[in-house]
Amino acid sequence: QVQLIQSGAEVKKPGASVKVSCKVSGYTLSELSIYWVRQAPGTGLEAMGGFDAAEDETIYAQQFQARVTMTEDTSTDTAYMELSSLRSEDTALYYCATYFILGTNYYVFWGQGTLVTVSS
Amino acid sequence: DIVMTQSPHSLPVTPGEPASISCRSSQSLLYSNGYNHLEWYLQKPGQSPQLLIYLGSYRASGVPDRFSGSGSGTDFTLKISRVEAEDVGVYYCMQALHTPRTFGQGTRVEIK
Repeated sequence: QVQLIQSGAEVKKPGASVKVSCKVSGYTLSELSIYWVRQAPGTGLEAMGGFDAAEDETIYAQQFQARVTMTEDTSTDTAYMELSSLRSEDTALYYCATYFILGTNYYVFWGQGTLVTVSS
Repeated sequence: DIVMTQSPHSLPVTPGEPASISCRSSQSLLYSNGYNHLEWYLQKPGQSPQLLIYLGSYRASGVPDRFSGSGSGTDFTLKISRVEAEDVGVYYCMQALHTPRTFGQGTRVEIK
């Protein structure tokens, strides 16, 4: 069983940066491909990007390319998502997620979400 | 990035009746392995999304058999054969062929 435990809620001012962590347990980070999704209040799920195992690189969604950095620390099995130049529209619940294949079964695991509030 | 389009946005349903949600992708999701890399999720209030269907038509572990997925290429459908009260929430399709994995806008299913 894979568990993804995310860091706690953050309150940031416009123009600042935020770094959200996602700790993996049950398996090692190097065995998984982590991706990030956000959900603004009352809206749908928005893809931010993630690690593409086939390309062996991290790929970002076009609308976040200039402001987001996703990194991994395999020594602590922790993935990070840093978003810079924050604005009020970035107020959202940020999720990390991963997929896992075990035998003939396919599983998707989500973190509990990290609420980021951007306010002056 | 692949654009996913869902319809309808809202779906009032009567318990015991069937329901259907459509999803269209801007590029084919049929991979050379013969599988369509399309997933369906249900997000209940205050919860993370839960996987219902993967590879277009395969039910995830523990998902009731009243849920079924169909379609190929760019057009997909999620069907609920007989809606139950616990099925309310927002349903999303998501393409899993390319990174970033992108989602439809969501379909809110509510009981009439």
